[in-house]
This record gives sequence, C-alpha cells and structure tokens, in this order.
Amino acid sequence: GDSVTQMEGPVTLSEEAFLTINCTYTATGYPSLFWYVQYPGEGLQLLLKATKADDKGSNKGFEATYRKETTSFHLEKGSVQVSDSAVYFCARKAAGNKLTFGGGTRVLVKP
Amino acid sequence: GAGVSQSPSNKVTEKGKDVELRCDPISGHTALYWYRQSLGQGLEFLIYFQGNSAPDKSGLPSDRFSAERTGGSVSTLTIQRTQQEDSAVYLCASSLDGSSNYGYTFGSGTRLTVV
Repeated sequence: GDSVTQMEGPVTLSEEAFLTINCTYTATGYPSLFWYVQYPGEGLQLLLKATKADDKGSNKGFEATYRKETTSFHLEKGSVQVSDSAVYFCARKAAGNKLTFGGGTRVLVKP
Repeated sequence: GAGVSQSPSNKVTEKGKDVELRCDPISGHTALYWYRQSLGQGLEFLIYFQGNSAPDKSGLPSDRFSAERTGGSVSTLTIQRTQQEDSAVYLCASSLDGSSNYGYTFGSGTRLTVV
C-alpha cells in the first residue's frame, strides 16, 4: 500500500548546523509529496511540496527534492535556528485523495 | 473563516461517555479530513468527505466512531462509549478540492483524554 518512512528522532543539533531528515515513500506511481511542520503547541502547517519528479520544494530556508529514482524526498536546511525546533512530517498523496503521513521526526535545536 | 476551526480544544471525558468533536473548515474548501494523532505517533487517517459524495470511512477504527458533514461545511466526529485508547489529538483538515495536490490546512486539533 501507500506508505511513508522517515527517520526517527529526536534529532538534536546546535544552531547554524546542517539539518537533513530522510523520507522515503512506496513507489506506486508518482504521487505528490509534502513536508509538514508542527511547532510546539500548534497544529500542522504545510512547509513545502513537490508534485512531480525532480521538482524542488522550498520554504523558510528548507528544501526537498522529489527523487523518483530513490523514491525519496529528504528535507534539508543549511543553517538551523532555535525556532526550527518542531516535529516534521513527510507525507505522500495516497489512493482515494488522502495523504499518508510518516511517523514524524522531532528536531531540537540548541543555542 | 480564515482557517480551520476545531472545538473544543480540550476535552476530558469519563470512560463510556459519548463525545462530539466539531470542525469548521475553510469556506469554499470541498474536501474535509479527520485524522488522529496519538502520543508520539504519526497521523492516522479516519474519514474523508468530498463534496456531496459518499464519505471514505475506511480509516474509522470501530463502529463506535462516526462522522457527518452537514451542508458541505461543518463536520462532527462522534465517538460513542469512549475507551481509554481513544485518548489522542483529533485533527481536522480541509483542502480546496479532493486532488490533495494543494495539501491540507489543519486545525489546531481537539485533545481528547478519556479517564
């Protein structure tokens, strides 16, 4: 079935460090792919998306490239801030117009 | 409204009681979704409404769970005879249409605690 696997957290890093969160999806077709972010005490927000192969989604300094050859959509940011501390969810479009989410990765950025 | 509104934000109920959770989607969004987020877990799909079509109920975990959407707008998720394992954050989301290429806009959720 349609599934998403992302690296487990927590990921702890220092301010200005490079962040990568791995995400892979099951290769049924070429689904739209998403990253959502959940800041402490808040709801999920769409961070970025890519709708076809080789597309790059970007927002707030975060980037992710749709790689169909590796069925991956890894999230990256070159220099994280304390305010980036949150839980990040990778998601793919699934059958029946639903989104299937990964388990979430908690990121903690220390000053 | 400007965003997806959910109420109540917190609900504590006794085991065996019924609860109703409300979702008010963004005006004009035809697609509405309910998900459940248990402590430390990912998001579990519950139910999906698209316009006037029959809802996709494939994610409802038991017949104690039901949902309706009146007039293509407000939705209510009902849990009957609540159990402790129902404790979770219940998230509602809406989308412009059912293609999901736009992604979802989520509400802040209802935190349900069954004691």
